[in-house]
Amino acid sequence: GENVEQHPSTLSVQEGDSAVIKCTYSDSASNYFPWYKQELGKRPQLIIDIRSNVGEKKDQRIAVTLNKTAKHFSLHITETQPEDSAVYFCAASQGAAGNKLTFGGGTRVLVKP
Amino acid sequence: DADVTQTPRNRITKTGKRIMLECSQTKGHDRMYWYRQDPGLGLRLIYYSFDVKDINKGEISDGYSVSRQAQAKFSLSLESAIPNQTALYFCATSDFQGGHNIQYFGAGTRLSVL
Repeated sequence: GENVEQHPSTLSVQEGDSAVIKCTYSDSASNYFPWYKQELGKRPQLIIDIRSNVGEKKDQRIAVTLNKTAKHFSLHITETQPEDSAVYFCAASQGAAGNKLTFGGGTRVLVKP
Repeated sequence: DADVTQTPRNRITKTGKRIMLECSQTKGHDRMYWYRQDPGLGLRLIYYSFDVKDINKGEISDGYSVSRQAQAKFSLSLESAIPNQTALYFCATSDFQGGHNIQYFGAGTRLSVL
């Protein structure tokens, strides 16, 4: 089955700096890669996703890049703000199995004011 | 998102007890999921259901069972709870459209097995 690894597990950045989280996946058939944000005590919520026919996608201060050859994808947060402090999860869908997601282990991001 | 409701929100039980966690949704989605969250391990899939007559095991189904009573209801049971089942449990729904599998999570059930 699919295996998704996520790094780093924790990330501390100064407000205004950029944050980058990286994930690798094992199943070359995976074709959908979402990112979820979980604030403290809250439920995970989708913040951005990318399909395998696209190399990069942006939404305001966040962007995701995908390298299908290397089987890795990354989340980039620019101009970080205190409200970006949360746990971020990457995931990949096993293409042959439709919409069953496999999640990475999560990255705890702390933005210091 | 009040559209996916989990009950109870917190539960403390003893080893060997049978317990049920319930999930209901008003989003009209066919697909429902149960995940378990442990620190550093992300969200791991326990069971999933693509419609009322479809039940599938996820990566960590041992010790758990599920029931899809209706399109809107998907319950998770622990037949004989053990301490390493202490975790945060999430129910989720999705509506797979256009290749985007957006999952909507409930607020979670925090379970402690003593």
